[in-house]
Amino acid sequence: GQQVMQIPQYQHVQEGEDFTTYCNSSTTLSNIQWYKQRPGGHPVFLIQLVKSGEVKKQKRLTFQFGEAKKNSSLHITATQTTDVGTYFCAGQNTGFQKLVFGTGTRLLVSP
Amino acid sequence: GAVVSQHPSRVICKSGTSVKIECRSLDFQATTMFWYRQFPKQSLMLMATSNEGSKATYEQGVEKDKFLINHASLTLSTLTVTSAHPEDSSFYICSARDREFSTNEKLFFGSGTQLSVL
Repeated sequence: GQQVMQIPQYQHVQEGEDFTTYCNSSTTLSNIQWYKQRPGGHPVFLIQLVKSGEVKKQKRLTFQFGEAKKNSSLHITATQTTDVGTYFCAGQNTGFQKLVFGTGTRLLVSP
Repeated sequence: GAVVSQHPSRVICKSGTSVKIECRSLDFQATTMFWYRQFPKQSLMLMATSNEGSKATYEQGVEKDKFLINHASLTLSTLTVTSAHPEDSSFYICSARDREFSTNEKLFFGSGTQLSVL
């Protein structure tokens, strides 16, 4: 079945440093979404990417969808302690309703 | 934004009992709801897709007789864990998609239910 892997599993940075998580799908996706889950909380939608090679920005966050629509990345510039949490990508195949979540990257930011 | 209410948030039960978890879309109609399971520090694993007025579609390895799903209306889906055992202890999260949008749309998540089976 479809698998979505993320690296790294965990990253600990100092506040102000940059952070990137990478997402790779075993199959071509129709779209990819990113979610953030704070400790003890539920996933919260961040963004959706649909087009091949698409790049979207949200303040300090930059999201990219690969040309082959099988990989994606999330880059955070100048991390803040409020960025702490686990970031999940989630991919959807064409014609299927379900969303398959990646393995997640847990980010810890020290002040 | 759209709100999905999930209840209860936490439940502790004895082994062998059944537990029902409710998931409601409060300000939109959801023809499709998804039930996920999450173990500590792990990803969300899709258990089943719940479709209003029809049988749920279960993922491979998920026992449909153990995890009963009912989606009787456009705003309510329930997950019943029957004859719960300690290995069923987990965080269960529902999510819903607004029927007004196409399949390429974001999910709205409930706040989750932490189930502990003693």
